[in-house]
Amino acid sequence: KNQVEQSPQSLIILEGKNCTLQCNYTVSPFSNLRWYKQDTGRGPVSLTIMTFSENTKSNGRYTATLDADTKQSSLHITASQLSDSASYICVVSDRGSTLGRLYFGRGTQLTVWP
Amino acid sequence: EADIYQTPRYLVIGTGKKITLECSQTMGHDKMYWYQQDPGMELHLIHYSYGVNSTEKGDLSSESTVSRIRTEHFPLTLESARPSHTSQYLCASSAGGSSSDTQYFGPGTRLTVL
Repeated sequence: KNQVEQSPQSLIILEGKNCTLQCNYTVSPFSNLRWYKQDTGRGPVSLTIMTFSENTKSNGRYTATLDADTKQSSLHITASQLSDSASYICVVSDRGSTLGRLYFGRGTQLTVWP
Repeated sequence: EADIYQTPRYLVIGTGKKITLECSQTMGHDKMYWYQQDPGMELHLIHYSYGVNSTEKGDLSSESTVSRIRTEHFPLTLESARPSHTSQYLCASSAGGSSSDTQYFGPGTRLTVL
C-alpha cells in the first residue's frame, strides 16, 4: 500500500533555532517528492521538488534531502522565523498512472515561538 | 502566489441545503482538482478534470458533483448538505497532469454543516 508517514506530528521551537522534519514513504514506482507549506486557513504552497536522482534541494532557509534507497526525506529549516509557523506536508508522486497520482502525508505542525 | 481563487472562504449552513463551492484560476491550466482535508489529516482527492467537459471521481468517495464548462472554472456542488460534509475543501490546478507538474492550490473553503 502506498503511504507517506511524517514525523513528528507537531513541533515547537524558539525563533532562530533550526529544526528537521522527517518523511518516510512506500510509494512505488517513485516519481518525485515535494514539500509543501500550508499556513493556517490557506492552501498548500510548494517549497521544493526532488526527483529520484536528486539528493538535496534548497529554497532559501529550507533544505530538503532525499534518500531514494531508504525512501526517506527530510526538510531542514535554518534560523527559524515566526512566519515559519505552519503545517509542512510531504507529498510523493508515483509514475505508474497518467494522472500523476499524489500521496499526501498528514503534515508536521510547526510552531515557532518568539 | 498562485492565481487560483475559491469562494466562499467560510460557509456555515443547515442540513439539507444545496451549496456550490466556487473555484477559478487564471493560469490557463487544463487540469483541476478538488481535495477534502479534515484537521490534522491528509488531503484526499475527491474530483479531478483533464479539461472542459471532462470530470472524474477521485480516490475518496464523495456525494458532491463537479462540472467543467469553462477551462478556468471548476465548481463543486452538494445537493443536500449533511454534518458529515463538514470539512475543508481545497481546489488546485496544474498545467499538465503528469507527476512532474506542480499543483497550485487555492486558499480553501471551510464548510460547516449544522
